[in-house]
Amino acid sequence: GDSVTQMEGPVTLSEEAFLTINCTYTATGYPSLFWYVQYPGEGLQLLLKATKADDKGSNKGFEATYRKETTSFHLEKGSVQVSDSAVYFCAFTGFQKLVFGTGTRLLVSP
Amino acid sequence: EADIYQTPRYLVIGTGKKITLECSQTMGHDKMYWYQQDPGMELHLIHYSYGVNSTEKGDLSSESTVSRIRTEHFPLTLESARPSHTSQYLCASRLGPETQYFGPGTRLLVL
Repeated sequence: GDSVTQMEGPVTLSEEAFLTINCTYTATGYPSLFWYVQYPGEGLQLLLKATKADDKGSNKGFEATYRKETTSFHLEKGSVQVSDSAVYFCAFTGFQKLVFGTGTRLLVSP
Repeated sequence: EADIYQTPRYLVIGTGKKITLECSQTMGHDKMYWYQQDPGMELHLIHYSYGVNSTEKGDLSSESTVSRIRTEHFPLTLESARPSHTSQYLCASRLGPETQYFGPGTRLLVL
């Protein structure tokens, strides 16, 4: 069935370090792919998205590329900040609803 | 900026009380969703709606009920709250296959 696998957290980094959060998916067809971010005490916000193979979504220094051949959508950022500390969710459009991963907590220390 | 609202943001209530969590959106979205979020972060879909007078149960069984009498409004009701209902509840909406937007959430504590 449809599913998303994200790397487990927490991911702990120092400020200015390089970030990768892995995401792979199992889906029928060619879904749209999303990364959402959840800051403490808030709902989820769309971070970036890609709607077809080889598209690159980007926002706030974060990037992810839709890789159909490896069914992956890994999130990257070249230099993280303390303010990036949050929970990150990978998702894709399933039948009538989004399919979410379990979330990866990122902790960035000064 | 997404125009989707949830009230109350925080609710502490005693066992056995009836509660309604409100969710409204002003974007004209046809699809609306309720999620329950664990302290461990995972999201569980408990209800969704494709439009007015349409409601479906989600992936996680829930004792709550929902209604969709108006496009913009999707309230969730618990007839008799229990401590096991303590959680964060997130409402979301989207138009067709487009991006899904989330409300700020309601944190419910049942004593």
